[in-house]
Amino acid sequence: NAGVMQNPRHLVRRRGQEARLRCSPMKGHSHVYWYRQLPEEGLKFMVYLQKENIIDESGMPKERFSAEFPKEGPSILRIQQVVRGDSAAYFCASSPLDRMDLNSPLHFGNGTRLTVT
Amino acid sequence: AQSVTQLGSHVSVSEGALVLLRCNYSSSVPPYLFWYVQYPNQGLQLLLKYTTGATLVKGINGFEAEFKKSETSFHLTKPSAHMSDAAEYFCAVSDAAAGGFKTIFGAGTRLFVKA
Repeated sequence: NAGVMQNPRHLVRRRGQEARLRCSPMKGHSHVYWYRQLPEEGLKFMVYLQKENIIDESGMPKERFSAEFPKEGPSILRIQQVVRGDSAAYFCASSPLDRMDLNSPLHFGNGTRLTVT
Repeated sequence: AQSVTQLGSHVSVSEGALVLLRCNYSSSVPPYLFWYVQYPNQGLQLLLKYTTGATLVKGINGFEAEFKKSETSFHLTKPSAHMSDAAEYFCAVSDAAAGGFKTIFGAGTRLFVKA
């Protein structure tokens, strides 16, 4: 019963390159959330997706960042033209299809640690 | 919009001592509150959650939290700290988002346990 799978665990990119972070939710989960964690700042909400739909992207930077969750395959968080300030841990979480109430917890992956050199 | 404030970014206790991690929230009624724990290089795991009903909520690893509406607090406690409790703890609240829900996290409190 695999949990939320994120890959890669570690990603190093030079400034100006693109970073692609992947997240496969738990089986049966169709809601995916991306969070960014910086030291001493906790987790910042970035985006909430359901299959083929972006539900809430209020936490996404307006430029360079995009996310998708296609009908088939993992959710992808894409960062174009990375800068040093993008260095952080990026966590994906999922919740089930029938998450109709606010008290369902999130299931987290182990994160992708992005380092921009 | 909901928000969460965790008082104290670092807390240090001796092994066997009481653990108290503070969390205050702002929320419309009713709040849905959570505590998560994060061990190094891992994702977050649910410790406990408050929905409705009993205000004292018991979680895993001997932790519990009490919802106090009058104080808008949801502090996390454990009577006797163990070395394995050293981790970062996050208080969170669920927030309604268009078409679904999202969870808002506090900044976290790192717990150190001294032998």
